[in-house]
Amino acid sequence: TQLLEQSPQFLSIQEGENLTVYCNSSSVFSSLQWYRQEPGEGPVLLVTVVTGGEVKKLKRLTFQFGDARKDSSLHITAAQPGDTGLYLCAGGYRDDYKLSFGAGTTVTVRA
Amino acid sequence: DTGVSQNPRHKITKRGQNVTFRCDPISEHNRLYWYRQTLGQGPEFLTYFQNEAQLEKSRLLSDRFSAERPKGSFSTLEIQRTEQGDSAMYLCASSDSPGGVNTEAFFGQGTRLTVV
Repeated sequence: TQLLEQSPQFLSIQEGENLTVYCNSSSVFSSLQWYRQEPGEGPVLLVTVVTGGEVKKLKRLTFQFGDARKDSSLHITAAQPGDTGLYLCAGGYRDDYKLSFGAGTTVTVRA
Repeated sequence: DTGVSQNPRHKITKRGQNVTFRCDPISEHNRLYWYRQTLGQGPEFLTYFQNEAQLEKSRLLSDRFSAERPKGSFSTLEIQRTEQGDSAMYLCASSDSPGGVNTEAFFGQGTRLTVV
């Protein structure tokens, strides 16, 4: 059972469209990371958020951490085929160094 | 040093055989983690080392699994008497000790194990 619930499970959009994926939990996390994973590869860290209400932007990607530090969202503007991949969120607790992952959202951007 | 390195990348083994995987973390990182990922799921924590000390093991890590990090550098994960249910991607990650709440980890490319 995944501690973090991600939605939607699958998302297929046309190049140039916007998308948002969500990560929700009943637990409060000290930090939350977003990773992107391509088939047959390990997850690649995109961003870490640690403050409730925090918003971080990475080019066309915008990450938000909920005020209560239980949820997060990832918004991609003007998606490109290179954004295709499995997007994973992972929560961490202070003084507990392991991460708890969601099952991921598979994003496909069609050219 | 370009990141976390794992080998082999792929391993096919017959049921009942033993396998060993190796992970070389980012050189200045003193924390090393093993995770397992099955199809359609996110990575699940298996075990964690700080330097050479194994500080935590998940209940997922049965008696057939053993991990070592003898000199606080590279680590090995051995699975004895493999079963078909062990088929998965085995991921290694490392992190440094910045203090505070930041637990972000950097992953290797993984070892894909197929037990036939």
